[in-house]
Amino acid sequence: RKEVEQDPGPFNVPEGATVAFNCTYSNSASQSFFWYRQDCRKEPKLLMSVYSSGNEDGRFTAQLNRASQYISLLIRDSKLSDSATYLCVVNPLGNDYKLSFGAGTTVTVRA
Amino acid sequence: NAGVTQTPKFRILKIGQSMTLQCTQDMNHNYMYWYRQDPGMGLKLIYYSVGAGITDKGEVPNGYNVSRSTTEDFPLRLELAAPSQTSVYFCASSYLGGDQSYNEQFFGPGTRLTVL
Repeated sequence: RKEVEQDPGPFNVPEGATVAFNCTYSNSASQSFFWYRQDCRKEPKLLMSVYSSGNEDGRFTAQLNRASQYISLLIRDSKLSDSATYLCVVNPLGNDYKLSFGAGTTVTVRA
Repeated sequence: NAGVTQTPKFRILKIGQSMTLQCTQDMNHNYMYWYRQDPGMGLKLIYYSVGAGITDKGEVPNGYNVSRSTTEDFPLRLELAAPSQTSVYFCASSYLGGDQSYNEQFFGPGTRLTVL
Protein backbone atom coordinates (compact mmCIF):
# COMPACT_ATOMS: atom_id res chain seq x y z
CA ARG A 1 0.00 0.00 0.00
CA LYS A 2 1.33 3.46 -0.88
CA GLU A 3 2.07 5.79 2.02
CA VAL A 4 0.03 8.57 0.44
CA GLU A 5 -2.73 8.05 -2.11
CA GLN A 6 -4.60 10.63 -4.11
CA ASP A 7 -7.27 10.61 -6.76
CA PRO A 8 -5.32 11.78 -9.82
CA GLY A 9 -8.36 13.54 -11.32
CA PRO A 10 -8.48 15.58 -13.40
CA PHE A 11 -11.15 17.69 -11.78
CA ASN A 12 -12.50 20.02 -14.47
CA VAL A 13 -14.50 22.86 -12.96
CA PRO A 14 -15.86 26.20 -14.19
CA GLU A 15 -14.61 29.46 -12.77
CA GLY A 16 -16.34 30.30 -9.52
CA ALA A 17 -17.09 26.68 -8.63
CA THR A 18 -16.06 24.87 -5.49
CA VAL A 19 -13.85 21.81 -5.82
CA ALA A 20 -12.75 19.44 -3.09
CA PHE A 21 -10.61 16.35 -2.99
CA ASN A 22 -9.00 14.08 -0.45
CA CYS A 23 -5.90 12.11 0.11
CA THR A 24 -5.39 9.12 2.37
CA TYR A 25 -2.27 8.17 4.29
CA SER A 26 -1.30 4.76 5.59
CA ASN A 27 0.74 5.48 8.71
CA SER A 28 -1.48 6.38 11.65
CA ALA A 29 1.55 7.81 13.47
CA SER A 30 2.06 10.51 10.84
CA GLN A 31 2.74 13.87 12.43
CA SER A 32 2.68 16.63 9.85
CA PHE A 33 0.56 17.22 6.78
CA PHE A 34 0.86 19.64 3.92
CA TRP A 35 -0.62 20.56 0.58
CA TYR A 36 1.87 21.58 -2.10
CA ARG A 37 0.97 23.04 -5.46
CA GLN A 38 2.83 22.12 -8.64
CA ASP A 39 2.27 23.98 -11.89
CA CYS A 40 2.96 22.21 -15.16
CA ARG A 41 6.69 21.54 -15.57
CA LYS A 42 7.51 23.58 -12.46
CA GLU A 43 8.72 22.81 -8.97
CA PRO A 44 6.36 22.08 -6.06
CA LYS A 45 5.60 24.97 -3.74
CA LEU A 46 4.00 24.89 -0.32
CA LEU A 47 0.34 25.87 -0.47
CA MET A 48 -0.54 25.32 3.18
CA SER A 49 0.11 23.19 6.20
CA VAL A 50 -2.78 21.18 7.61
CA TYR A 51 -3.51 21.50 11.30
CA SER A 52 -5.53 19.16 13.47
CA SER A 53 -8.33 21.66 13.91
CA GLY A 54 -8.53 22.43 10.22
CA ASN A 55 -7.36 25.69 8.75
CA GLU A 56 -8.23 28.18 6.10
CA ASP A 57 -6.13 30.42 3.90
CA GLY A 58 -8.27 32.70 1.79
CA ARG A 59 -10.25 30.50 -0.60
CA PHE A 60 -8.47 27.34 0.48
CA THR A 61 -9.58 25.16 3.38
CA ALA A 62 -7.69 22.11 4.61
CA GLN A 63 -9.06 19.48 6.97
CA LEU A 64 -7.43 16.57 8.76
CA ASN A 65 -9.33 13.45 9.83
CA ARG A 66 -6.99 11.32 11.92
CA ALA A 67 -9.57 8.63 12.66
CA SER A 68 -10.06 7.88 8.96
CA GLN A 69 -6.54 8.90 8.01
CA TYR A 70 -7.29 11.39 5.33
CA ILE A 71 -6.78 15.06 4.63
CA SER A 72 -8.83 17.20 2.33
CA LEU A 73 -8.47 20.40 0.37
CA LEU A 74 -11.38 22.58 -0.66
CA ILE A 75 -11.05 25.45 -3.09
CA ARG A 76 -13.87 27.99 -3.15
CA ASP A 77 -14.61 30.45 -5.95
CA SER A 78 -12.12 28.77 -8.28
CA LYS A 79 -9.92 30.98 -10.44
CA LEU A 80 -8.21 30.10 -13.72
CA SER A 81 -4.93 30.50 -11.85
CA ASP A 82 -5.89 27.64 -9.52
CA SER A 83 -5.29 25.18 -12.37
CA ALA A 84 -2.43 23.03 -11.13
CA THR A 85 -1.58 19.69 -9.59
CA TYR A 86 -2.04 19.55 -5.83
CA LEU A 87 0.33 17.28 -3.96
CA CYS A 88 -0.62 15.76 -0.64
CA VAL A 89 2.46 15.52 1.57
CA VAL A 90 2.80 13.65 4.84
CA ASN A 91 5.54 13.29 7.41
CA PRO A 92 5.07 9.58 8.06
CA LEU A 93 7.53 8.85 10.81
CA GLY A 94 7.68 12.03 12.80
CA ASN A 95 11.13 12.62 11.31
CA ASP A 96 10.78 16.11 10.01
CA TYR A 97 13.36 15.72 7.31
CA LYS A 98 11.53 12.95 5.43
CA LEU A 99 8.30 13.65 3.64
CA SER A 100 6.12 11.30 1.61
CA PHE A 101 4.51 12.79 -1.47
CA GLY A 102 1.32 11.72 -3.17
CA ALA A 103 1.25 11.60 -6.96
CA GLY A 104 -1.03 14.61 -7.08
CA THR A 105 -4.56 15.62 -8.01
CA THR A 106 -4.91 17.70 -11.15
CA VAL A 107 -7.40 20.55 -11.15
CA THR A 108 -8.32 22.40 -14.31
CA VAL A 109 -10.46 25.53 -14.01
CA ARG A 110 -12.15 26.58 -17.24
CA ALA A 111 -13.51 29.99 -18.20
CA ASN B 1 17.78 35.61 -2.34
CA ALA B 2 17.89 33.29 -5.33
CA GLY B 3 16.54 30.42 -3.20
CA VAL B 4 17.42 26.99 -4.59
CA THR B 5 19.11 26.92 -7.97
CA GLN B 6 19.81 23.89 -10.14
CA THR B 7 21.89 23.35 -13.24
CA PRO B 8 21.50 22.21 -15.93
CA LYS B 9 17.81 22.65 -16.76
CA PHE B 10 17.88 19.91 -19.39
CA ARG B 11 20.31 17.17 -20.33
CA ILE B 12 20.40 14.19 -22.64
CA LEU B 13 22.83 11.42 -21.75
CA LYS B 14 23.84 8.27 -23.50
CA ILE B 15 23.70 4.98 -21.63
CA GLY B 16 26.84 4.56 -19.55
CA GLN B 17 27.75 8.23 -19.39
CA SER B 18 28.14 10.08 -16.11
CA MET B 19 27.16 13.56 -15.03
CA THR B 20 26.72 15.79 -11.99
CA LEU B 21 23.55 17.72 -11.27
CA GLN B 22 24.36 20.90 -9.37
CA CYS B 23 22.26 22.34 -6.55
CA THR B 24 22.92 25.49 -4.53
CA GLN B 25 20.85 27.26 -1.89
CA ASP B 26 21.47 30.69 -0.38
CA MET B 27 19.03 30.50 2.54
CA ASN B 28 21.52 28.99 5.01
CA HIS B 29 19.33 25.90 5.28
CA ASN B 30 20.87 22.95 7.07
CA TYR B 31 18.82 20.22 5.36
CA MET B 32 19.05 19.47 1.66
CA TYR B 33 17.38 16.77 -0.45
CA TRP B 34 17.38 15.23 -3.89
CA TYR B 35 14.16 13.84 -5.36
CA ARG B 36 13.17 12.33 -8.65
CA GLN B 37 9.70 12.65 -10.13
CA ASP B 38 8.45 10.20 -12.70
CA PRO B 39 5.16 10.68 -14.60
CA GLY B 40 2.13 9.78 -12.47
CA MET B 41 4.28 9.12 -9.41
CA GLY B 42 5.00 11.02 -6.25
CA LEU B 43 8.41 12.49 -5.60
CA LYS B 44 10.87 9.86 -4.44
CA LEU B 45 13.72 10.78 -2.10
CA ILE B 46 17.13 9.80 -3.48
CA TYR B 47 19.52 11.22 -0.89
CA TYR B 48 19.40 13.83 1.83
CA SER B 49 21.84 15.74 4.01
CA VAL B 50 21.33 17.17 7.48
CA GLY B 51 24.41 19.38 7.31
CA ALA B 52 27.82 19.81 5.72
CA GLY B 53 29.72 16.53 5.70
CA ILE B 54 26.66 14.38 6.48
CA THR B 55 24.63 12.54 3.86
CA ASP B 56 22.28 9.58 3.95
CA LYS B 57 20.30 7.41 1.57
CA GLY B 58 16.67 7.96 0.82
CA GLU B 59 14.18 5.64 -0.79
CA VAL B 60 15.84 5.19 -4.21
CA PRO B 61 19.62 5.76 -3.90
CA ASN B 62 20.93 3.11 -6.30
CA GLY B 63 22.89 4.56 -9.21
CA TYR B 64 23.48 7.91 -7.50
CA ASN B 65 26.00 9.52 -5.18
CA VAL B 66 26.07 12.81 -3.31
CA SER B 67 28.45 14.94 -1.31
CA ARG B 68 27.95 17.95 0.96
CA SER B 69 31.19 19.81 1.47
CA THR B 70 29.51 23.16 2.17
CA THR B 71 26.16 24.29 3.57
CA GLU B 72 25.22 25.78 0.22
CA ASP B 73 26.01 23.02 -2.27
CA PHE B 74 24.61 19.51 -2.66
CA PRO B 75 25.60 17.96 -6.02
CA LEU B 76 24.09 14.69 -7.25
CA ARG B 77 26.32 12.39 -9.26
CA LEU B 78 25.00 9.84 -11.75
CA GLU B 79 27.45 7.12 -12.64
CA LEU B 80 26.83 4.84 -15.61
CA ALA B 81 23.52 6.39 -16.66
CA ALA B 82 20.67 3.99 -17.46
CA PRO B 83 17.31 4.60 -19.21
CA SER B 84 15.59 3.99 -15.85
CA GLN B 85 17.18 7.23 -14.63
CA THR B 86 15.21 9.28 -17.14
CA SER B 87 13.26 11.58 -14.87
CA VAL B 88 12.87 15.09 -13.50
CA TYR B 89 15.23 15.74 -10.61
CA PHE B 90 14.42 18.27 -7.92
CA CYS B 91 16.73 19.57 -5.25
CA ALA B 92 15.15 21.00 -2.11
CA SER B 93 16.25 22.54 1.16
CA SER B 94 14.73 23.29 4.53
CA TYR B 95 15.70 24.63 7.91
CA LEU B 96 15.14 22.53 10.99
CA GLY B 97 16.02 24.13 14.27
CA GLY B 98 15.24 23.52 17.91
CA ASP B 99 11.50 23.34 17.29
CA GLN B 100 11.30 20.64 14.65
CA SER B 101 7.57 20.76 14.29
CA TYR B 102 7.57 22.43 10.90
CA ASN B 103 9.41 21.60 7.72
CA GLU B 104 8.65 23.63 4.63
CA GLN B 105 10.85 22.39 1.85
CA PHE B 106 11.86 24.86 -0.85
CA PHE B 107 12.46 23.35 -4.26
CA GLY B 108 14.71 24.25 -7.14
CA PRO B 109 13.31 24.49 -10.69
CA GLY B 110 14.35 20.95 -11.58
CA THR B 111 16.59 19.20 -14.10
CA ARG B 112 14.95 17.20 -16.89
CA LEU B 113 17.20 14.28 -17.70
CA THR B 114 16.79 11.85 -20.58
CA VAL B 115 19.01 8.78 -20.91
CA LEU B 116 19.03 7.21 -24.38
